[in-house]
Amino acid sequence: AQKVTQVQTEISVVEKEDVTLDCVYETRDTTYYLFWYKQPPSGELVFLIRRNSFDEQNEISGRYSWNFQKSTSSFNFTITASQVVDSAVYFCALGGYNTDKLIFGTGTRLQVFP
Amino acid sequence: IAGITQAPTSQILAAGRRMTLRCTQDMRHNAMYWYRQDLGLGLRLIHYSNTAGTTGKGEVPDGYSVSRANTDDFPLTLASAVPSQTSVYFCASSRQPLGGDTEAFFGQGTRLTVV
Repeated sequence: AQKVTQVQTEISVVEKEDVTLDCVYETRDTTYYLFWYKQPPSGELVFLIRRNSFDEQNEISGRYSWNFQKSTSSFNFTITASQVVDSAVYFCALGGYNTDKLIFGTGTRLQVFP
Repeated sequence: IAGITQAPTSQILAAGRRMTLRCTQDMRHNAMYWYRQDLGLGLRLIHYSNTAGTTGKGEVPDGYSVSRANTDDFPLTLASAVPSQTSVYFCASSRQPLGGDTEAFFGQGTRLTVV
């Protein structure tokens, strides 16, 4: 069975702090894909990143970085120097090669205070 | 570029009524999905369609039906609404089924309240 766990329900930080959102996944597939989506207060879901299971290179995009570790089945997301505009619910998701579906975690609500 | 359009944006519906949520995409994506979002539960897949003419059941299909007569449209029907179907519904699409190297794009959501 596939499962995504985001243990942090809510995180509050002050602007300019670094924050890491944790994501742990379970799958029996050898080929799979991991995703992060952002849901700002306006409600839409915004795609942030996709990573396939064969690519464990960490990725950096501006203030965002992702740490993929197959050994611990984790795909954590770090925001450096957080800003108020980063306030949102962030979802980690798993897509399996043989499932044709995207399984979401329960989300982490990030609040960045000025 | 519209992407994915959902209608209505929000709706209050009496229990027992029939309701169809509309979803249209203009990206010519093969696969489409319906998710519901509930507090503390994240997004759960209701139904999906890998290509026009085919549909499949997700995690929480009971009480919902879908059809995929063409590539662009993927309506979700509640035959007889119940209060537990109060939720925010998201339609999504992807170029190919999500077992491949592709991402899903989401609509703005439909907030449905069943009273």
